[in-house]
Amino acid sequence: GAVVSQHPSRVICKSGTSVKIECRSLDFQATTMFWYRQFPKQSLMLMATSNEGSKATYEQGVEKDKFLINHASLTLSTLTVTSAHPEDSSFYICSARIGTGGDEQYFGPGTRLTVT
Amino acid sequence: AQSVTQPDIHITVSEGASLELRCNYSYGATPYLFWYVQSPGQGLQLLLKYFSGDTLVQGIKGFEAEFKRSQSSFNLRKPSVHWSDAAEYFCAVGAPGAQKLVFGQGTRLTINP
Repeated sequence: GAVVSQHPSRVICKSGTSVKIECRSLDFQATTMFWYRQFPKQSLMLMATSNEGSKATYEQGVEKDKFLINHASLTLSTLTVTSAHPEDSSFYICSARIGTGGDEQYFGPGTRLTVT
Repeated sequence: AQSVTQPDIHITVSEGASLELRCNYSYGATPYLFWYVQSPGQGLQLLLKYFSGDTLVQGIKGFEAEFKRSQSSFNLRKPSVHWSDAAEYFCAVGAPGAQKLVFGQGTRLTINP
């Protein structure tokens, strides 16, 4: 149980275009979903926290107009990278939480974004 | 605010040897503590967690961790490592009632045959 999927697993896009990444909780309803960014050989950097039906809460320094997050249902959250630039190339990981307050997060397999 | 330190960036051990990965946290009360493992190009898998109770926690794949309040530590151990244990290990802390987890920098584990 507690499986989280991400789609696509890899995506290459041209500079200036937008790309959408989906995160789904397959066998549970997620009260909260999280989006992380991970640079090579580094830890996870939390980008934003999203709760179903409400606006995402972005971490300091993350451009909310560039990284659009939509949490349309209790099983789906999407991250759209708008007007992508090569520096947006990274590994994006989502996670989902069942309970409230500090409970464990279940992670998706990640999406490798390359902007050319 | 809570923080997590994993002092060892990279550890190499021989297959069959014992392993201990260190994790120190900073938080005013007893936090929720987690160890996750990440294989290259993959997401994170939960190894074990501590919320309360018995301070020695058993996890998957033969791992265990011990919460030591006096040392603000939550070190991960395994008595005998396997080549498949080679991966990146992350310690994380969460505050009860809070939304977020804070991750350490990670420890990369290499296994020598």
